[in-house]
Amino acid sequence: QKEVEQDPGPLSVPEGAIVSLNCTYSNSAFQYFMWYRQYSRKGPELLMYTYSSGNKEDGRFTAQVDKSSKYISLFIRDSQPSDSATYLCAMMSDYKLSFGAGTTVTVRA
Amino acid sequence: DTGVSQDPRHKITKRGQNVTFRCDPISEHNRLYWYRQTLGQGPEFLTYFQNEAQLEKSRLLSDRFSAERPKGSFSTLEIQRTEQGDSAMYLCAVPEQGPYEQYFGPGTRLTVT
Repeated sequence: QKEVEQDPGPLSVPEGAIVSLNCTYSNSAFQYFMWYRQYSRKGPELLMYTYSSGNKEDGRFTAQVDKSSKYISLFIRDSQPSDSATYLCAMMSDYKLSFGAGTTVTVRA
Repeated sequence: DTGVSQDPRHKITKRGQNVTFRCDPISEHNRLYWYRQTLGQGPEFLTYFQNEAQLEKSRLLSDRFSAERPKGSFSTLEIQRTEQGDSAMYLCAVPEQGPYEQYFGPGTRLTVT
C-alpha cells in the first residue's frame, strides 16, 4: 500500500464548476500538506501549503486537512480552462515530500 | 518559473552511457532536493543536501547514481551505465520561502534508448 493515495482521474468538468480533489495517507508522521499543479512537461508548481487541520483559502482555491481521518482535499471554485492540469497532493515528513500519483483535470470551455 | 534552473531540459542517450544533470538555484539555499518522476506518477524523493553535505539517499538511488553539491550552491546528478528504466523526469527543488515549502525547477527529461 502506498503512503499517499490519490485518484488519478481523469476528471472533466464544465467551466465554472467546482473541482474537488482528494488524497488519503497512512503515515501519521506527515505534518505538512501541499498541493501542486503540474502542466505537461513542466515542473510542479506549489499552489497551497498547510500544516494544521482545517481549511485554508487562497483566491479560488481552498485546501482542507483532516488529520484524524488522514484525508486532505483541494477545491477549485469557478474553474477555468486554464486550470486544466495535473494536480498532485504532497506530504512532508523529515523535510522529504511524498506525492500522490496526481489527478488530471480538464475544464471544458 | 521558480528560482531554479536545470540543464539540460531534455537528454536522449543510449543505454550504457553516462549522463550528468545540473541544478542551479538563483539564490542561496541551505537545502537542495532531487526527485524523479516517471510517467503517470508523482515525484519520488531521491536525495537531499544540507549545504555541501548529502544527508539522505533513497533506496531508489542505486550505486549507479551519484549526486554532489561541491560549494553548497549548484548540484549535479550523474547516472552511470544508464538503463531504460532510468527514463524519467529528474526534478530539483529548493525551499524558497521557508523550510517546508519546496519549489521545483523545470526538470530534466531523460530518455534512454
